Amino acid sequence: QVQLVQSGAEVKKPGASVKVSCKASGYTLSSYYITWVRQAPGQGLEWMGWITAYNGNTKYAQNFQGRVTMTTDTSTNTANMELTSLTSDDTAVYYCARGLDAFDIWGQGTMVIVSS
Amino acid sequence: DIQMTQSPSFLSASVGDRVIITCRASQGIRNDLGWYQQKPGKAPKRLIYAASSLQSGVPSRFSGSGSGTEFTLTISSLQPEDFATYYCLQYNSYPRTFGQGTKVEIK
Repeated sequence: QVQLVQSGAEVKKPGASVKVSCKASGYTLSSYYITWVRQAPGQGLEWMGWITAYNGNTKYAQNFQGRVTMTTDTSTNTANMELTSLTSDDTAVYYCARGLDAFDIWGQGTMVIVSS
Repeated sequence: DIQMTQSPSFLSASVGDRVIITCRASQGIRNDLGWYQQKPGKAPKRLIYAASSLQSGVPSRFSGSGSGTEFTLTISSLQPEDFATYYCLQYNSYPRTFGQGTKVEIK
């Protein structure tokens, strides 16, 4: 069964960093791009960027340039997204999704709460 | 950035109703558009890609149409499990952008 399973919820203080993982099963990570999308409480969906495990190439949304790093570990079929310098505005559910464009499979989401 | 404007933002309908949701792009995006359904506390689920292609396993009461700047998602006969929020997504250019969502509630 093709699925993406994400790491658990996180609570962070302002200024800290968070790393969210996304483990692919049922397919090889390097065969598809992984996109990251976030959703603030009660809000819509915001595209953050993508990574390809094939060669490590990335593309980040301008809003996150300099604060986000996406990586992959092909040995564990896992993609990771690290966001630094967190503020309360980063409180959101973070999703990984398979694909470059019309993302077909989504992880279950990881809640990240930023609070002092 | 391409702006995606959905209408309506909120829709109250009854089981069996025909429902149409519209998504308008601020510039032409060919047919590079997808539709997603999201239920509370759950990840979005893809319904339609390439504007009109039905995702495998999605009921045929869902259909998509359009090209360029105007797109529609139609639910031919609303079922109880269809009450959710629907989003369109353009993937013609960067950054990818979503519509603001249409919440479909029970009348």
